Amino acid sequence: EVQLVESGGGLVKPGEFLRLSCAASGFTFSGYSMNWVRQAPGKGLEWVSSISSSSSYIFYADSVKGRFTISRENGKNSLYLQMNSLRDDDTAVYYCARGPFIAVTGPNWFDLWGQGTLLTVSS
Amino acid sequence: QSVLTQPPSVSAAPGQKVTISCSGSSSNIGNNFVSWYQQLPGTAPKLLIYDNNKRPSGIPDRFSGSKSGTSATLGITGLQTGDEADYYCGTWDNNLSAALFGGGTKVTVL
Repeated sequence: EVQLVESGGGLVKPGEFLRLSCAASGFTFSGYSMNWVRQAPGKGLEWVSSISSSSSYIFYADSVKGRFTISRENGKNSLYLQMNSLRDDDTAVYYCARGPFIAVTGPNWFDLWGQGTLLTVSS
Repeated sequence: QSVLTQPPSVSAAPGQKVTISCSGSSSNIGNNFVSWYQQLPGTAPKLLIYDNNKRPSGIPDRFSGSKSGTSATLGITGLQTGDEADYYCGTWDNNLSAALFGGGTKVTVL
């Protein structure tokens, strides 16, 4: 079955760190860009970060630049998001999403989404 | 405020048609492909339209997309109660080097 499964969410305090993971199956993982998109409670979608198929190109939203690091291991069909210096406004459901080939410019679409993992940042 | 502007809500009776607009600028919609997503309550988003007007396999032709200049439009014909959801447009912004989503539009079937 073609799917993405996120894990690693939870409750952390401001300033702490956490790593999210996304396990891909049913498709050639190394052939796609991979992305993180988040959604705060009751709010809209917010793009977080994208990584190209070979990890050569990486993009971040300004809101997470310098605090979050995206990475992937094609041999393990896995995507990661290392999140440091977490803030209250990072509270959201984090979705892993598959995207098209990217290079100088990033993704225009996301065609496969995971079910999401909830991160709550609160003291 | 989102860089891509969508109406907060639209509504119509079953069987009718609705259109959802997405307004941007030359740095995003004007020079990049647009995609559209449907998010049913409590679920992950689902790709409805990519590359302005293409439908992924399994998406009914009741859903259509178009783009003109710096604006894009999603059309839904033959509205069904199961279409009640939030709809988002998306694209890439060359100046921001960021993927963008519109603020979302809630579709209500009267």
